Amino acid sequence: ETGVTQTPRHLVMGMTNKKSLKCEQHLGHNAMYWYKQSAKKPLELMFVYSLEERVENNSVPSRFSPECPNSSHLFLHLHTLQPEDSALYLCASSHQVEETQYFGPGTRLLVL
Amino acid sequence: GIQVEQSPPDLILQEGANSTLRCNFSDSVNNLQWFHQNPWGQLINLFYIPSGTKQNGRLSATTVATERYSLLYISSSQTTDSGVYFCAVEDTGNQFYFGTGTSLTVIP
Repeated sequence: ETGVTQTPRHLVMGMTNKKSLKCEQHLGHNAMYWYKQSAKKPLELMFVYSLEERVENNSVPSRFSPECPNSSHLFLHLHTLQPEDSALYLCASSHQVEETQYFGPGTRLLVL
Repeated sequence: GIQVEQSPPDLILQEGANSTLRCNFSDSVNNLQWFHQNPWGQLINLFYIPSGTKQNGRLSATTVATERYSLLYISSSQTTDSGVYFCAVEDTGNQFYFGTGTSLTVIP
């Protein structure tokens, strides 16, 4: 138990669906992150938030839309995804952006 | 961007054996971390080690920043050590880069 929870743990969606992934951290951290892990590929950083403001966006397609309403919660809104978006989506948090990150268990997403 | 290379890509060990995993990076970094992803996909941070040596139980890590590499040592390996070990670096612009990992299988 790392203090970072993610829901749902598994998600199957069609290409026309809209869904959201939720991440919550109970560690009092100020920075939160979304990562994508595809099979046999390096882990990819998608978004970084510090004090609820986005500080990093690594050219992620607009069909992924993050939201950080407060320092404890981070959402990833999904719409019109493609099958190649199927992956494990990991959330992480850290006290500050430059410090050790603690990861949640991930949401395994399958797009049909 | 920074290139992060990990070796070996795959490793099979007998329980009780020792191993060394290596991470090479191509430029100066502000931060280096080692992570373990267990077979269920959960990622656990092991060390925050931009330089020097740290130890935590059977695990230890050494980063030689001037030579741009880090080593993760696993001693007396156990089956629960199985999974993928990632090295991640952060450059001076707060950009993160991950290696492709070392997949470790410890057999009883």
